[in-house]
Amino acid sequence: AQSVTQPDIHITVSEGASLELRCNYSYGATPYLFWYVQSPGQGLQLLLKYFSGDTLVQGIKGFEAEFKRSQSSFNLRKPSVHWSDAAEYFCAVAPYSSASKIIFGSGTRLSIRP
Amino acid sequence: ETGVTQSPTHLIKTRGQQVTLRCSSQSGHNTVSWYQQALGQGPQFIFQYYREEENGRGNFPPRFSGLQFPNYSSELNVNALELDDSALYLCASSLAQATNTGELFFGEGSRLTVL
Repeated sequence: AQSVTQPDIHITVSEGASLELRCNYSYGATPYLFWYVQSPGQGLQLLLKYFSGDTLVQGIKGFEAEFKRSQSSFNLRKPSVHWSDAAEYFCAVAPYSSASKIIFGSGTRLSIRP
Repeated sequence: ETGVTQSPTHLIKTRGQQVTLRCSSQSGHNTVSWYQQALGQGPQFIFQYYREEENGRGNFPPRFSGLQFPNYSSELNVNALELDDSALYLCASSLAQATNTGELFFGEGSRLTVL
């Protein structure tokens, strides 16, 4: 069965510092991979997605993620965080045959230190 | 804003009662998915509806049921409520499976508290 692991429950970084959120997935084939963000009082918003092709994908708000098949990872990065990036971040996976039946990880809460 | 609206935003029920949650999908989207998000957890897939029929289901008991209407709006019904059903229920709409980019458009959710 497919699954997603986000090993970091809570991360705090200083404003302007770089960020990396970890994500590992378990799936027999190459799945669709996503990162979503959930801010307080707002719905989940898609940051970026990987289906195929270039393993480094660019998303909104300056985020990027790199797919590494050998490590079954899809880590999210941002070179310089802003206070508005404080939110809950979810990595997610979906089978190739059904891209909308998305399985989410348990999330990483990001806090920003002024 | 995604164009996906859910109602009610908050509600309180007691154990054993039944609840109906509603969702209006984004214009042009004919697929609706429902997710349950318990406190501190990621969303869990409940089921998906496509063209008014269930099109996949997660690990939830039959007391969780749904409907999709001709205008693609949807309902989630939960019977015999249990305390563990307390959660944020998220609706997400998307394009038809054949042309699906995998991007779900989420509503802000309905927060259910079961006492």
